[in-house]
Amino acid sequence: AQSVTQLDSHVSVSEGTPVLLRCNYSSSYSPSLFWYVQHPNKGLQLLLKYTSAATLVKGINGFEAEFKKSETSFHLTKPSAHMSDAAEYFCVVSPFGNEKLTFGTGTRLTIIP
Amino acid sequence: NAGVMQNPRHLVRRRGQEARLRCSPMKGHSHVYWYRQLPEEGLKFMVYLQKENIIDESGMPKERFSAEFPKEGPSILRIQQVVRGDSAAYFCASSPSLALTTDTQYFGPGTRLTVL
Repeated sequence: AQSVTQLDSHVSVSEGTPVLLRCNYSSSYSPSLFWYVQHPNKGLQLLLKYTSAATLVKGINGFEAEFKKSETSFHLTKPSAHMSDAAEYFCVVSPFGNEKLTFGTGTRLTIIP
Repeated sequence: NAGVMQNPRHLVRRRGQEARLRCSPMKGHSHVYWYRQLPEEGLKFMVYLQKENIIDESGMPKERFSAEFPKEGPSILRIQQVVRGDSAAYFCASSPSLALTTDTQYFGPGTRLTVL
């Protein structure tokens, strides 16, 4: 069985400062890990995914995440926040990358002007 | 290449009515997944289908909910005798094949069901 814990339900950062959204996972198999973003009343957009290749994964819009097996973490970072980054972010785990996804409860990112 | 399409985008039903949600996967995708998002929560897996087959329905409520993905046409999620607790956003995702690690699920815009 797999599970995901997003450690912060809300994160607020000032525009231009770094973003850190934390995620820990549990999986019985070598996991595939994803970050999705959901803007208000919109669908989900894939930011990035880890599938057992490079541990540092670069995604769209300047986001990246690092897979740390020893810490069972997959934190999402961005060097400089932009107002358009305000959204809900979901960390997601799947045992093989293409079966039912298990979502975290989400982190709401607020950007302060 | 059009993305995953869902319709309707918004659906209002009275208690006891039926709701039918449709999902057309991306071109070339043969796998469809349905997820439900309750207010202020993450998405929860409901069912995984391939053409004419239900592969995994472990997340489907035992009663009133059914899903199909016929040989021709969109996948349908059907909710009979809706209750207020069914109010949620229902998302469909599709993927091309059951590759072990590389495929990604692409999500549609969702159908927001409101039960009055």
